[in-house]
Order: sequence, then structure tokens, then C-alpha cells
Amino acid sequence: DAGVIQSPRHEVTEMGQEVTLRCKPISGHDYLFWYRQTMMRGLELLIYFNNNVPIDDSGMPEDRFSAKMPNASFSTLKIQPSEPRDSAVYFCASTKGAPGEQYFGPGTRLTVT
Amino acid sequence: SQQGEEDPQALSIQEGENATMNCSYKTSINNLQWYRQNSGRGLVHLILIRSNEREKHSGRLRVTLDTSKKSSSLLITASRAADTASYFCATPGGGKLIFGQGTELSVKP
Repeated sequence: DAGVIQSPRHEVTEMGQEVTLRCKPISGHDYLFWYRQTMMRGLELLIYFNNNVPIDDSGMPEDRFSAKMPNASFSTLKIQPSEPRDSAVYFCASTKGAPGEQYFGPGTRLTVT
Repeated sequence: SQQGEEDPQALSIQEGENATMNCSYKTSINNLQWYRQNSGRGLVHLILIRSNEREKHSGRLRVTLDTSKKSSSLLITASRAADTASYFCATPGGGKLIFGQGTELSVKP
């Protein structure tokens, strides 16, 4: 298995632009998690899905952030409009059953200028 | 809310020495997990210890769990430069894991 796949690996954008991050979980996994990591705040859970349904989005910072999971093999995290404080590394992780071992993707490093 | 908190925040040792990291948590758990994160990479699962286990080994890793003290420790024996990374404990909270802030381990050759 290729593991969790995220794209793009790096994204540089200007303030006000829309950003879309993509994730392909491991086949057969029924939970998908989106995290954000910064030096100041550490690793934060933004939202997680079970069987493609959002279960807990309490970590989503504000309405500028939205996440979807249209099918079991694809999820997106969208930021619109982006702001410099959104600069961070965004990770996607998946697992089979919860709260089991999570498999993390390589992350997307987002820089908003 | 923070469930697991690691101690120390940073640890610097020489190659060949042992490294011990501690994790404290607040509520009852049925398992506790440890993860490693190399610089610029995603987290990698190291080991899971269940609440009815007191100690678990995996290669050079030894994890202990004391549910009465709500604490766990991760011991890396005979450390190598390649062990340089951040180490996180994680505890279940509903369907999700709650990660601590991590211990940054530096192993000097």
C-alpha cells in the first residue's frame, strides 16, 4: 500500500486566495483526520470523518475552513480566503476503527504571504 | 483540552545513552500510544499499550503504563543519531486521539 497520500506537498499562496489541500487515505480505512501543526500551537485536530461523514469539526478555526469527503478514497480541506496565520503544515491521517493506530501522510506545508 | 503532556520538552543525549520520556494524562483510558516525528515528516506510530498492560517492548523501545498515576514512559535504549526526532504520546478521546506537545530528542554522535 502506498500509505496516506497528500497533495500538494508545498503550497505558497497570497493572502485572500483559495487553497485546497487533498488527501487519499489508505484503502479500507474508515476514519480520516485532518490536523494542523505549528510551532506555537503544536498538533491540532481540525476535523475527522467516519465512513465519509464528518463527526467532529470543533477544531476548525473558523468559517474560512471547510472539509469534505465525497467518497472513501478522497478528502479535501479548503481555506477561503487564506490568511498569513493559516501558514502551517497540514496533515491527513487515516485509521481502521477508532481510536486505533493512525497512519499519517507526509503533510502539506502551506505558506500564505 | 490537553490530555497527554510530555516531559521533558527537550532532551539532548550522546549516542549510546538511554533516553526516557514521560507522559501524563488526565482521564481514564483504554490505551495509550506513542508516535515519532522526524523533521519535516508525518508522525509514525511506534507502540500501543493497553490499560491492562504495565509494560511493553518493541526492539529498543520500552513503554510502561501506570494507570493509578495516569502516566506512561517511553525508554529508548542505546540511542542512535537516527533516533533524533520528536516523540508524542496520544490518548483516545471519543473516536479521536489527543496528542501531547511532544518531547524533542536530540542524539549527538
